[in-house]
This record gives sequence, C-alpha cells and structure tokens, in this order.
Amino acid sequence: AQSVTQLDSHVSVSEGTPVLLRCNYSSSYSPSLFWYVQHPNKGLQLLLKYTSAATLVKGINGFEAEFKKSETSFHLTKPSAHMSDAAEYFCVVSDLTSASKIIFGSGTRLSIRP
Amino acid sequence: DGGITQSPKYLFRKEGQNVTLSCEQNLNHDAMYWYRQDPGQGLRLIYYSQIVNDFQKGDIAEGYSVSREKKESFPLTVTSAQKNPTAFYLCASSFQGADTQYFGPGTRLTVL
Repeated sequence: AQSVTQLDSHVSVSEGTPVLLRCNYSSSYSPSLFWYVQHPNKGLQLLLKYTSAATLVKGINGFEAEFKKSETSFHLTKPSAHMSDAAEYFCVVSDLTSASKIIFGSGTRLSIRP
Repeated sequence: DGGITQSPKYLFRKEGQNVTLSCEQNLNHDAMYWYRQDPGQGLRLIYYSQIVNDFQKGDIAEGYSVSREKKESFPLTVTSAQKNPTAFYLCASSFQGADTQYFGPGTRLTVL
C-alpha cells in the first residue's frame, strides 16, 4: 500500500532564508508525487508534480522538489522564503489501487519570521 | 472563468439537522471528490464519483451521502448520523483516470 509521511508538523524560517519541507513515501512502484499548498481557510493549490520525466521538478512561486528513489524522499525546497509563503503544505502520493485516488500526508505548517 | 466553486463558504447548523454542501465545476472534469479536513490532519476522502450517476465510498463515508446527477455538480449531504460533523470540507475534480486533482475553496461547517 502507498503512504506518505511528512517529517515535520511545523517549520519556522526567517524571511530570505532557505526552506526545506521533508516528505518520505512508501510505494511498491514509482508513484506520482505532488506538493500542494493551502493558505488559511482556502482550498489547495497544486505547487508541483513528479511523474518520472525528471527527478528535479520545478513548481510555482520558486519552489522545487527532488525525487530520490534510493531515499524514498520528495523534499520541497525554496532558496529564499517570502512572507507570503506562510501556509500549510501537503505532500501527496497517487494511490495505485485506484487511478483517481490520491493519499495525503498530514501536512507541514510553514511559518516565516520577519 | 473556469474552476470549482463551493458554497457557502461558512455554514452553521443545529445538531440533528441535515445539511447539503454545494460543489460545481466547469472544467469538464469527469471525476469529483469530497474530502474532510480536521485541524492538524491531512485530508480524508469521504466519497468520490468517476462518472455521472455513479459514486463510491471513500475512507470515512459514514454519516454522509452524495448524488451525481450532472457532470458539473456533486453535492454532499451531512446527515444527523455523522457524529462529529464540524470540519472544513473540500471538493475536488479531475479528468477520469488522472491523478492530478483541482480543489475548490472549501466550506467550513460548524454544528452548534
């Protein structure tokens, strides 16, 4: 069965410093992996998606993620945090038992210090 | 302007009352989904529908019901049988067989 684990429930960084949000997955096959962002009381917005075309995936708002099969990781990074990046971030894996279903991590809340 | 709309944004109901949450999409997506989000938790799947007039239970379907009479619409009814209905409810849609889902803005339901 597929699963995804977000290693930090809360990450706090200073504005202008790098961001690292960690995600590990479990899957028997190469899954599709996603990062979504959710601002307070809003829906989820797709940041980026990995589908095996390239291990380094660039997303919106300067975010990128690297797929590392040997480490079963898909960490999200950004070189320089902005105040507007403060939000909840979800790592998501496709559910191979159903073409349309996806499985969510528990989320990481990113706080940005001025 | 294409997208997914959910209404209302905030909803208050008395305990024991059924309530229906609206979800509409004009993206021509075949599949639609309902998720529940509680504080500090990821999203949990309530129901999903891959085509009109067909739907399947997700992981936490008890106390909820849905219908899919039109491709564009997938309303969710929270019944009085749902023991803890206060939560943030998110609707999503996708093309059939595609794993990328697009989300609406959500409805926050509070049962008093």
